[in-house]
Amino acid sequence: EPEVTQTPSHQVTQMGQEVILRCVPISNHLYFYWYRQILGQKVEFLVSFYNNEISEKSEIFDDQFSVERPDGSNFTLKIRSTKLEDSAMYFCASREIGLQETQYFGPGTRLLVL
Amino acid sequence: RKEVEQDPGPFNVPEGATVAFNCTYSNSASQSFFWYRQDCRKEPKLLMSVYSSGNEDGRFTAQLNRASQYISLLIRDSKLSDSATYLCVVRSGGYQKVTFGTGTKLQVIP
Repeated sequence: EPEVTQTPSHQVTQMGQEVILRCVPISNHLYFYWYRQILGQKVEFLVSFYNNEISEKSEIFDDQFSVERPDGSNFTLKIRSTKLEDSAMYFCASREIGLQETQYFGPGTRLLVL
Repeated sequence: RKEVEQDPGPFNVPEGATVAFNCTYSNSASQSFFWYRQDCRKEPKLLMSVYSSGNEDGRFTAQLNRASQYISLLIRDSKLSDSATYLCVVRSGGYQKVTFGTGTKLQVIP
């Protein structure tokens, strides 16, 4: 069964450093998403991406964040200058175009900012 | 009022019991509703979509009440493997953004 993959599974970084989280969505999916989940809290929407552009973003997704689809398979989330409060699990998700709304989530990247 | 609200639990139930969770949403224009399951430190996985007419998948039944703005999930004959956090997810309008509830934790006890 096809699945969303994410790398790395864990990342530790120093405050102020840039991080890039990588995702490979399911191959025939055209909508891509990033979510975060701070430990013990709910899953929060960050951004959706379709047709090579951001289709929607939340108030969390400020200028420190950017997304990119650098080639036909990868979908990345960049945090330019990490803060302590960016420590969270980051999930990538993808879905097909059309009426089927099911989003398939990757296993997540656990980011720890020190 | 929170966009999507759930009782965090935990619900501790014996094996074989029936358990029900409710979730309320604040936006009356919400269009799509889902129940996801999340195991500890894992990704959310779709359990079922919720349709206006209600729908059933094995031991799981989901209902939508638009008038009262809530959805429900009923689990019959609980198994130990049902222990997880159940997330209510709502999509509003013609947008891509979905809103997650905080989740309801279920612990099925032998």
